[in-house]
Amino acid sequence: AQKVTQAQTEISVVEKEDVTLDCVYETRDTTYYLFWYKQPPSGELVFLIRRNSFDEQNEISGRYSWNFQKSTSSFNFTITASQVVDSAVYFCALIASGTYKYIFGTGTRLKVLA
Amino acid sequence: NAGVTQTPKFQVLKTGQSMTLQCAQDMNHEYMSWYRQDPGMGLRLIHYSVGAGITDQGEVPNGYNVSRSTTEDFPLRLLSAAPSQTSVYFCASSYLPSGGPPNEQFFGPGTRLTVL
Repeated sequence: AQKVTQAQTEISVVEKEDVTLDCVYETRDTTYYLFWYKQPPSGELVFLIRRNSFDEQNEISGRYSWNFQKSTSSFNFTITASQVVDSAVYFCALIASGTYKYIFGTGTRLKVLA
Repeated sequence: NAGVTQTPKFQVLKTGQSMTLQCAQDMNHEYMSWYRQDPGMGLRLIHYSVGAGITDQGEVPNGYNVSRSTTEDFPLRLLSAAPSQTSVYFCASSYLPSGGPPNEQFFGPGTRLTVL
């Protein structure tokens, strides 16, 4: 069975603080893909990143960075110097090779206070 | 490109009524899917399709039907609406590489459905 756990239901930070959103996954497949999506208050879902299971390199995109560790089955997302516009619900998702079913976590609501 | 479009944006139904949520994409994506989003439960897959004429069930298919007669369209039918189907519904599409799982998904704006 596959599962994605986002244990942090809601996080509040003050602007300019760094914040890390946790994502822990379970799968028996050796080939799989992990994703992060952002859902701002307007409601649309926006793709942020995709990672395959063979690529454990960390990735940085501006203020966003992702840490993928197969040893702990985690794919954590860090926002550096958070801004009010980062306020959103963030979803982690998993899909295994050979399947067509995405598994989403329950999401983490991030509130960045000015 | 319009991307993924969904209609209607809002809908109120009475228990027992049926309706169809429309979804269309103009990116020639083979893979399309429907999700429902409920508070505290994230996104749950209802049905998906890997091409015209091919559909399959997701995690929560009961009470919903789908069909895929064209690459562009993937409507979701509620057969007999129940209050438990009150939710926000998202349609998504993605490129399907040969032999691999779908890539990242492009989502529609969602339909907020209330069943009284």
